[in-house]
Amino acid sequence: EPEVTQTPSHQVTQMGQEVILRCVPISNHLYFYWYRQILGQKVEFLVSFYNNEISEKSEIFDDQFSVERPDGSNFTLKIRSTKLEDSAMYFCASSASRYGYTFGSGTRLTVV
Amino acid sequence: DQQVKQNSPSLSVQEGRISILNCDYTNSMFDYFLWYKKYPAEGPTFLISISSIKDKNEDGRFTVFLNKSAKHLSLHIVPSQPGDSAVYFCAASAGDSSGYALNFGKGTSLLVTP
Repeated sequence: EPEVTQTPSHQVTQMGQEVILRCVPISNHLYFYWYRQILGQKVEFLVSFYNNEISEKSEIFDDQFSVERPDGSNFTLKIRSTKLEDSAMYFCASSASRYGYTFGSGTRLTVV
Repeated sequence: DQQVKQNSPSLSVQEGRISILNCDYTNSMFDYFLWYKKYPAEGPTFLISISSIKDKNEDGRFTVFLNKSAKHLSLHIVPSQPGDSAVYFCAASAGDSSGYALNFGKGTSLLVTP
């Protein structure tokens, strides 16, 4: 069964450093998403991406965040200057339409 | 703002019995609802969904019921099995959402005991 692949599975970074989280969505999917889950809290929407541009973003997705689809297969989330409160599980997802999201296994980001 | 609410953080059910997980929502623009199952250190896995034009959708042991007037949906698992033990998230999306963003509840941790 097709999968959404996320790398790395765990990233530790120092506060103020830039991190890039990587995702390989399912190949025929057109919509791409990033979500995050802070420990013990709900899964929160960050951003959706379609046709090479952001289609929707939440208020969490401020200027510190950016997304890119640099080469037609990868989908990346960049956090420019990480804060302690950015520590969370980050999930990438993709879908062919609004019906049928597939999530990746997540990247655990720890900011120290 | 919590637009999707799962008021029971945990539920324990005996194997073979019915598990009923509940979800309430506040946004009347939501028109598509989903249930996801999540194990620790894994991403959410899609279970079942329902469109607002329906009031019931069934897939094997899983049935989702939607009561639009009450803004309430529930997931029934019959019969429950120990492998069903996981965190279950209710999610909803609005038809006017340009990006098909999902709003998640906080989850209900289901434990099915032998």
